[in-house]
Amino acid sequence: SAVISQKPSRDICQRGTSLTIQCQVDSQVTMMFWYRQQPGQSLTLIATANQGSEATYESGFVIDKFPISRPNLTFSTLTVSNMSPEDSSIYLCSVFGQGTGELFFGEGSRLTVL
Amino acid sequence: LAKTTQPISMDSYEGQEVNITCSHNNIATNDYITWYQQFPSQGPRFIIQGYKTKVTNEVASLFIPADRKSSTLSLPRVSLSDTAVYYCLVGSFTSGTYKYIFGTGTRLKVLA
Repeated sequence: SAVISQKPSRDICQRGTSLTIQCQVDSQVTMMFWYRQQPGQSLTLIATANQGSEATYESGFVIDKFPISRPNLTFSTLTVSNMSPEDSSIYLCSVFGQGTGELFFGEGSRLTVL
Repeated sequence: LAKTTQPISMDSYEGQEVNITCSHNNIATNDYITWYQQFPSQGPRFIIQGYKTKVTNEVASLFIPADRKSSTLSLPRVSLSDTAVYYCLVGSFTSGTYKYIFGTGTRLKVLA
């Protein structure tokens, strides 16, 4: 299994500002995934973050808007830049369990942009 | 990437068996089928995973026909606490990265 901690759990931000979300895992993992879940919607994969290389972004997401850092095998950050109300969502960090295809999720960071 | 299709919502009563079917017509040979459960304000939680035939664990069963173009999650004797959104995922290995794409999910409501 994997235990994932995210900070902040929730925040209210002003339009035009940026917020960095932190994800800490209790074990070393190669790949970390960032998802977004807009209100009442399913999860959308933003990017895959591998330690030691640039993140791979999914269609519709760009590095300038969602820069990701992956400084070591247990930690990653996602920044939501120049926020607008459309960025109001829950952002979730996830990793695969060791040797399994099971994806573990943090509790998410609920972001509200005014 | 294999796309999944599920019913948007389902209602059931306590004690009944619930079957949620997912279509994944373009599933690749190496893909596994995984189901997740999500409660409000929580991250999704793994329920069960399979490749073919039938898989059973302490909470659910997963039925996968020979052509693997669909799968059915079976929840025996549901309770009110099983009210949640259930996602069917097909794992895709693309460009050396194994990743999951979530579909729309099925919103299950269990009634007393």
